[in-house]
Amino acid sequence: DTGVSQNPRHKITKRGQNVTFRCDPISEHNRLYWYRQTLGQGPEFLTYFQNEAQLEKSRLLSDRFSAERPKGSFSTLEIQRTEQGDSAMYLCASSLVRGIYNEQFFGPGTRLTVL
Amino acid sequence: AQKVTQAQTEISVVEKEDVTLDCVYETRDTTYYLFWYKQPPSGELVFLIRRNSFDEQNEISGRYSWNFQKSTSSFNFTITASQVVDSAVYFCALSESSYKLIFGSGTRLLVRP
Repeated sequence: DTGVSQNPRHKITKRGQNVTFRCDPISEHNRLYWYRQTLGQGPEFLTYFQNEAQLEKSRLLSDRFSAERPKGSFSTLEIQRTEQGDSAMYLCASSLVRGIYNEQFFGPGTRLTVL
Repeated sequence: AQKVTQAQTEISVVEKEDVTLDCVYETRDTTYYLFWYKQPPSGELVFLIRRNSFDEQNEISGRYSWNFQKSTSSFNFTITASQVVDSAVYFCALSESSYKLIFGSGTRLLVRP
């Protein structure tokens, strides 16, 4: 399978703990995006990378959130001191910049539950 | 400001009925892109279509068709002869540039046998 993969698929944690998620994009894709989806809502943009550079961060991404893409390949999203409001599905997408636009292909997501 | 509105929260139809999912968008840009994604119960978002703002031609792909009207800022999606496998949440999305997507809140479609 050469699609976008995310690990873990599910994560249950206690309030105050730190969690880290990983995203492996489609291998030739140079852009990687993180979104968050809460129940009954559409995904909301968090941040994106072009190769290893983080080019935009949403206001949704508080100081407790940090994302990296160290070698322009996989990416990690870390949440420190988790809160119950962080419970959501975290989606990763990747795309290959080509011409004016590029389609984003999504991974299966990591569902986070903060108790 | 960018905004996508999907006013239909849930739609229930009987198999073989046609169904139209509505999408209304707001943007100040003259160049933008519109998308439809499907999210089945498994949770993975599946890309269905992209449309550029300068191309108002409607598109048909099998049982799926899309009606883009700039005059009403709408990008509606019709499934003809619906099937149980079409049951999913469908999202309309907007992008004003070459990166982030702004999604609507989705329409849950239930196709009953």
